[in-house]
Amino acid sequence: AQRVTQPEKLLSVFKGAPVELKCNYSYSGSPELFWYVQYSRQRLQLLLRHISRESIKGFTADLNKGETSFHLKKPFAQEEDSAMYYCALRPGGTSYGKLTFGQGTILTVHP
Amino acid sequence: EAGVAQSPRYKIIEKRQSVAFWCNPISGHATLYWYQQILGQGPKLLIQFQNNGVVDDSQLPKDRFSAERLKGVDSTLKIQPAKLEDSAVYLCASSSSSNEQFFGPGTRLTVL
Repeated sequence: AQRVTQPEKLLSVFKGAPVELKCNYSYSGSPELFWYVQYSRQRLQLLLRHISRESIKGFTADLNKGETSFHLKKPFAQEEDSAMYYCALRPGGTSYGKLTFGQGTILTVHP
Repeated sequence: EAGVAQSPRYKIIEKRQSVAFWCNPISGHATLYWYQQILGQGPKLLIQFQNNGVVDDSQLPKDRFSAERLKGVDSTLKIQPAKLEDSAVYLCASSSSSNEQFFGPGTRLTVL
């Protein structure tokens, strides 16, 4: 069975401060990890995936297999980063495999 | 590019009534997903189609939920009869061979 845990339901930071959204997973095989974001009154959309190893909107995430974590980080938060963030897992090597989502973290960036 | 379309956007029904949701995926996307998102939780996959065949329906409550994608394009999800605990947002998503999932705006169902 696969499980994704996001321990923080709410996270508040001030503009310009670093931010880290935590994600831990449980999966016996080799997973693919994703971060999805939902801005106010917008659709859920992909932010980044670990296999791409890219930075999107200043966000990065590194897969740590030893700690089974995939934390999302940004060195300087902006007000427009305020949104709901979901971490998700899919079994590796299965392009059409089931995505399992965490419960989400609401990030609020104060001016 | 046109995104995933869903209708209706909102639906209020009484328990034991029936309800149906419609989804039109992005053109050319072979894979279609229905998720249930209960307030305060992440989306949970109900059913996944590859063209018009079911790939995964392990979390679909088959005694009351059904879904079809007859021509491998648009899809309907039905609940019959609805229970209070079915109140949720129902999300449809689609993907192509690039396997990034694109989500629709969702249908918010309230069961009274």
